Order: sequence, then structure tokens, then C-alpha cells
Amino acid sequence: DAGVIQSPRHEVTEMGQEVTLRCKPISGHDYLFWYRQTMMRGLELLIYFNNNVPIDDSGMPEDRFSAKMPNASFSTLKIQPSEPRDSAVYFCASSETGGSGNTIYFGEGSWLTVV
Amino acid sequence: AQTVTQSQPEMSVQEAETVTLSCTYDTSESNYYLFWYKQPPSRQMILVIRQEAYKQQNATENRFSVNFQKAAKSFSLKISDSQLGDTAMYFCASLRDDKIIFGKGTRLHILP
Repeated sequence: DAGVIQSPRHEVTEMGQEVTLRCKPISGHDYLFWYRQTMMRGLELLIYFNNNVPIDDSGMPEDRFSAKMPNASFSTLKIQPSEPRDSAVYFCASSETGGSGNTIYFGEGSWLTVV
Repeated sequence: AQTVTQSQPEMSVQEAETVTLSCTYDTSESNYYLFWYKQPPSRQMILVIRQEAYKQQNATENRFSVNFQKAAKSFSLKISDSQLGDTAMYFCASLRDDKIIFGKGTRLHILP
């Protein structure tokens, strides 16, 4: 299995631009998670999906952030407009099931720098 | 609310020594799962070990073991015979329902 695939791996963009991060979960996994990692705040859960449906988006920082999962094999996290404080590593992760404690597998992350 | 606390921001030990990383958590649930993840400089998140709260036996994976104290809500990670490749950030995490929450991490340096 190829694992969780994220793109782009690195992105540098100017403030005010739209940023779209992409994720392909492991085939057969019903849960998909988006995390953000910064030095100050550590790893924060932004939103997660079950069977393509958003279940909890309470971690999404503000209206500039949105996430979609149009099908079982693809999800996007969009920031519009981007700001320098959005600079972080964004991780996508997936698991076969959620509450049963199955392992959550992480992608390699998307490094975002907003200048 | 679910919280995970790692009180040691950074630690250094000599190669081949044993090191223990601390973690405490707060939950009102009786059934939950606990994890330790390793994040090397590559930033990849790697599962080290997991513990199911209803199991009293401490989980072990080769050189890695945990000391799970349910009443004290403590979940420490012991690394035996530490190796240079163990140098990384280590995150303690708690899973309840479908949400996994991470602590702030402990940066571990293994010195040659």
C-alpha cells in the first residue's frame, strides 16, 4: 500500500493567495483527519471525516479554512486568503476505523510557508 | 475535555542508556486508547506503541515499553538500550471516540 499521500510537499505562497492542500487516504480507510503542526501550538486536530462526511470541524481556526472530501479517496484543505500565521506543517491521516483504536497513519505532511 | 500533558520539553541521554518519557492525560471515559508517536527530523509521524485502557498489561514493542498507571492517568514511555536513531520528537496521544489528541511533545537527543 502506498500509504497516505499528500501534495504538495512544500509550498511557498504570498499572503492573500489561496492555498489548496490535497490528500489521498489509504484505500479502505473510513476516517480521514487533518492536523496542523506549529512550534507554538504543537499538533492540532483541525477536522475529521467519517465516510466522507465531516464529523467535527471544531478545530478549524476560522472561516478562511475549509475542508472537503468529495469521495473516499480524496480530500482537500483550503485556505483563502492565506496569512503568514498559517505557516505550518499540515498533516493528513487516515484510519480504518476511529473509536476502536486502530492505528492512524500519517502522510508525510505539507510544509506551508506564507510570506 | 480531553487533554494530554508532556512535562519534559527536551531530554538528552547517552547512547545505550535507558530513558523514560512522561505523559499524563485527562479523560472521564473508561474506555480509551493511548499512543506514543515518534517524529524524526523528516517530520514523518511513526507509531511507536499503543495501549488499550482496559488492558492492565503494559504494552511492549522490542526496546520500547510503557508504564500505564490508569488510576494516576499516567502513560510513560521507556526506551531501553537507546540508539542514535531514536533521536526524535516523541508525542503522547489519547484516543477517545474518534478523536486523537496529542501532547506538545518531548524532544529526545541520543548522544554518541
